[in-house]
Amino acid sequence: DIQMTQSPSSLSVSLGDNVTFTCEASENIYGFLAWYQQKLGKAPKLLIYGATNLEDGVPTRFSGSGSWTNYSLTISSLEPEDIATYYCQNNHVYPYTFGAGTKLELK
Amino acid sequence: EVQLVESGGGLVQPGRSMKLSCAASGFTFSSFPMAWVRQAPTKGLEWVATISTSGGSTYYRDSVKGRFTISRDNAKSTLYLQMNSLRSEDTATYYCTREGGRNYFDYWGQGVMVTVSS
Repeated sequence: DIQMTQSPSSLSVSLGDNVTFTCEASENIYGFLAWYQQKLGKAPKLLIYGATNLEDGVPTRFSGSGSWTNYSLTISSLEPEDIATYYCQNNHVYPYTFGAGTKLELK
Repeated sequence: EVQLVESGGGLVQPGRSMKLSCAASGFTFSSFPMAWVRQAPTKGLEWVATISTSGGSTYYRDSVKGRFTISRDNAKSTLYLQMNSLRSEDTATYYCTREGGRNYFDYWGQGVMVTVSS
């Protein structure tokens, strides 16, 4: 199985910060990488697919980058509604695997 | 508007069975692969199973293979997950999801809780 390693596991942030966190796959996933946002008690929401493509309706302050095994998600100028846990997902091969998540917390 | 509404969860004893349903609306159900993703309490996300548009192909994570069966009824726009021989480690919120163009999950239901306990 492809292992997805997210770092950091948690991040203390302030509103207006530019935030970047990373996801490393244990092997090349050829850009088949998605990012999801999950707020407490809610279902996950797709933010980015194909490593760099912004899902319809997602604010442009979210951006994704990366290739091969290394990927990142950046939030520019953090808003209050961005406080959540973020998961990356390998959707290249079965079993699809998720990272353990990066939880954003306000300072 | 795409909607996915799960039902059928609850408390079940270890070794027993339970069937989840997911009613889909707002899109052409038969045109999309569908999947179940679960999340144990306070844990991360875990893909469980995927079914192709026709239902002819199914894929499972190893820990549920032989115990869970994913199926669909395209005439009823409904996805199912039959869960047999349930274990305590199957306790989770189960999400019904639609697979978008590159195998990502673009729509999610609200989730249904399954608790396996005696």
